[in-house]
Amino acid sequence: GQQLNQSPQSMFIQEGEDVSMNCTSSSIFNTWLWYKQDPGEGPVLLIALYKAGELTSNGRLTAQFGITRKDSFLNISASIPSDVGIYFCAGQGYGNKLVFGAGTILRVKS
Amino acid sequence: DAGITQSPRYKITETGRQVTLMCHQTWSHSYMFWYRQDLGHGLRLIYYSAAADITDKGEVPDGYVVSRSKTENFPLTLESATRSQTSVYFCASSEVGPSYEQYFGPGTRLTVT
Repeated sequence: GQQLNQSPQSMFIQEGEDVSMNCTSSSIFNTWLWYKQDPGEGPVLLIALYKAGELTSNGRLTAQFGITRKDSFLNISASIPSDVGIYFCAGQGYGNKLVFGAGTILRVKS
Repeated sequence: DAGITQSPRYKITETGRQVTLMCHQTWSHSYMFWYRQDLGHGLRLIYYSAAADITDKGEVPDGYVVSRSKTENFPLTLESATRSQTSVYFCASSEVGPSYEQYFGPGTRLTVT
């Protein structure tokens, strides 16, 4: 089946630094979504991308739908302690359903 | 605006017991989904529903049963719980379709002893 590779698996960064994470797929996707999950909670949608090349921002977050349609990245600028959590990418997979990456764990050093 | 709720939030049950996890959404979204989240596997789709009385299997449906008699409710039943079904279960809904924005509930942590 289709797989998503999300990297890095975890990050430990200094407050105020910019963060970048990405997802790559083995096949073309028509949708890329980025979610954040806090401990003990459900994933919360951050950004949705539906068009190759699309660049979308949500506050300090920016995500792009790769031109090849096989990748997407998420940037967080000027990280703060509340950015801690797990970030998931998701893409439209086989059978028109979403496939999720394994997540990037973000830890911020205050 | 309650959004999407799940109950119970925590459940401990014994192997072989039947257990039902509830999901309720107030948005009148057509699509609803059940996922399980396990370390090392991310979120995996169990079942989904496109509308009342329409359900379909996801990636890992074995051992689970769903029904959807009303648009707002989508219960998930484990007919005979096994230890391998210990997991965190998330319900989600979407207004548009299965490959579009999905909104998740807070999850149910299920432990099967």
